[in-house]
Amino acid sequence: NAGVMQNPRHLVRRRGQEARLRCSPMKGHSHVYWYRQLPEEGLKFMVYLQKENIIDESGMPKERFSAEFPKEGPSILRIQQVVRGDSAAYFCASSPVNEQFFGPGTRLTVL
Amino acid sequence: QQPVQSPQAVILREGEDAVINCSSSKALYSVHWYRQKHGEAPVFLMILLKGGEQKGHEKISASFNEKKQQSSLYLTASQLSYSGTYFCGTEIMDSGYSTLTFGKGTMLLVSP
Repeated sequence: NAGVMQNPRHLVRRRGQEARLRCSPMKGHSHVYWYRQLPEEGLKFMVYLQKENIIDESGMPKERFSAEFPKEGPSILRIQQVVRGDSAAYFCASSPVNEQFFGPGTRLTVL
Repeated sequence: QQPVQSPQAVILREGEDAVINCSSSKALYSVHWYRQKHGEAPVFLMILLKGGEQKGHEKISASFNEKKQQSSLYLTASQLSYSGTYFCGTEIMDSGYSTLTFGKGTMLLVSP
């Protein structure tokens, strides 16, 4: 059973471009969570999704950020018009019920 | 409502014990513990649910005091592989669904 997969592992964008991060949950997991981690800091919750539904997006910035988890395919975290402050590691986690299992993360660098 | 972890950092010699604490101002339904090595993903260690205590690893155990809204992670006879940053994630009672709020982490360094 493959673990949580994320791609790309590293993403470099210039200010103003769009960043698209993908997350494929573990087989059988219907819950997906996105977190942002800044250097030397903890994981900050961004959004919780189930298939075709956003359950909790209280941690998402109101502008430029969006997330989806379609019926088919991976979950996508989209950041429009990136700024330098968006540089961070973005982790997704999937869960069958309680435990959350993390993917390897996408390290976004905004130049 | 970010849980507070203490200490911020611990330096041990191989074979020594350590305790990492996690406390919340909110009533908790569960506490999750993770270890993250530099540049890697957090790895799930164990979950402690309200009304129960669960041990995830042989020399790593944890307790959950529901009344005090605290959890402690116990690492006994530490090994070099225990080095990393430990995070607790808390799930509060009235959320209606499972989302975690993580503490800032406790950095653990085990030296030979």
